[in-house]
Amino acid sequence: DAGITQSPRHKVTETGTPVTLRCHQTENHRYMYWYRQDPGHGLRLIHYSYGVKDTDKGEVSDGYSVSRSKTEDFLLTLESATSSQTSVYFCAISEWDNKAKKLFFGSGTQLSVL
Amino acid sequence: GENVEQHPSTLSVQEGDSAVIKCTYSDSASNYFPWYKQELGKGPQLIIDIRSNVGEKKDQRIAVTLNKTAKHFSLHITETQPEDSAVYFCAASIGGNNRLAFGKGNQVVVIP
Repeated sequence: DAGITQSPRHKVTETGTPVTLRCHQTENHRYMYWYRQDPGHGLRLIHYSYGVKDTDKGEVSDGYSVSRSKTEDFLLTLESATSSQTSVYFCAISEWDNKAKKLFFGSGTQLSVL
Repeated sequence: GENVEQHPSTLSVQEGDSAVIKCTYSDSASNYFPWYKQELGKGPQLIIDIRSNVGEKKDQRIAVTLNKTAKHFSLHITETQPEDSAVYFCAASIGGNNRLAFGKGNQVVVIP
């Protein structure tokens, strides 16, 4: 699992409430990513980080914000959760291996917004 | 941006037969193509990958082939076993290989 821990593993919340998902890594990787997975859409990038306090948007960033105050933690925040944000969220890290930057995923967080 | 498409969406094979999943990509600058396997309730797991300077790569029962001219790459699983049943995702690199664009996934079912 490349030393990635996601918390919580499951979350049920109500529309309009703030939600924060945490990704913690133990191997000092510079790059971290948040993806969401939905049926019929595969994996879509929300935000990614290339260092402490350095983040950038992915293809589906609206409604999400991220923060990286320490190398080991990458937080994903839904400021005001909506039902369309019900999804499985995966954190990932990348590391160089044989001249390619390879992506490794955590176990995911199942989020349900009611 | 990069667009990755996978075919077929669902594939059923008899145990022992071969399975082939094909992906196409749009950006000729893509140079790295990984395949991921996802079992129920788990995160995607990298199973094999290929770089653009190589046409084929094999690891035991799985292999990946790349046709840069046609912009497609394929995953081949030989002698399929029930534990090969999973969703398989292909991906292609974008943005200088700091990001990946994923296909929508293929459900592979191996029938005992």
